[in-house]
Amino acid sequence: NAGVMQNPRHLVRRRGQEARLRCSPMKGHSHVYWYRQLPEEGLKFMVYLQKENIIDESGMPKERFSAEFPKEGPSILRIQQVVRGDSAAYFCASSPREVSEQYFGPGTRLTVT
Amino acid sequence: AQTVTQSQPEMSVQEAETVTLSCTYDTSESDYYLFWYKQPPSRQMILVIRQEAYKQQNATENRFSVNFQKAAKSFSLKISDSQLGDAAMYFCAYRSAYAEDSNSGYALNFGKGTSLLVTP
Repeated sequence: NAGVMQNPRHLVRRRGQEARLRCSPMKGHSHVYWYRQLPEEGLKFMVYLQKENIIDESGMPKERFSAEFPKEGPSILRIQQVVRGDSAAYFCASSPREVSEQYFGPGTRLTVT
Repeated sequence: AQTVTQSQPEMSVQEAETVTLSCTYDTSESDYYLFWYKQPPSRQMILVIRQEAYKQQNATENRFSVNFQKAAKSFSLKISDSQLGDAAMYFCAYRSAYAEDSNSGYALNFGKGTSLLVTP
């Protein structure tokens, strides 16, 4: 059973460009979470999605950030008009149910130049 | 939101020895979950151990065990017979059991981590 897949593993964007991060949950998992890790920090929750629904986006910045988890295909975290402060590692996690362990992907390291 | 505190930025242990990593948390909830995650240099987050707050018995996974003190809101991780492969960042995390009633929702709340060095 393949684990949580994230791509790309590394992404470099210039200021003002768009960053699109993808997450494919484990087979059978319909719950997806996105977290951001700044250098020397723990992970911070951004958004929680189920198929076609955003359940909790309380950790996501109100502007430039959006997330989706369509009926078919991976979950996407989109950052528009990136700034240097967006440079971080972005982790996706999935779970089979709401209250169960979250299994993490390898992360995408975003660098904004 | 619930706060998770790891007061030890760095710890060091010799191979085959035992080390304990500290974690405290702040909550008014009675039911919740606590976790320890390991993040090696590859940056992959790996679940080490999980504890349900309603269970009095401390969780154990092979060489990893926890000391869960609910009244003190303390959740320490003990690593026995340390191995070189245990070297990593260790994160303590909290999650509510009933997200609808919690101001932290479904999120895992992480501490800032403890960097564990294992020396031969």
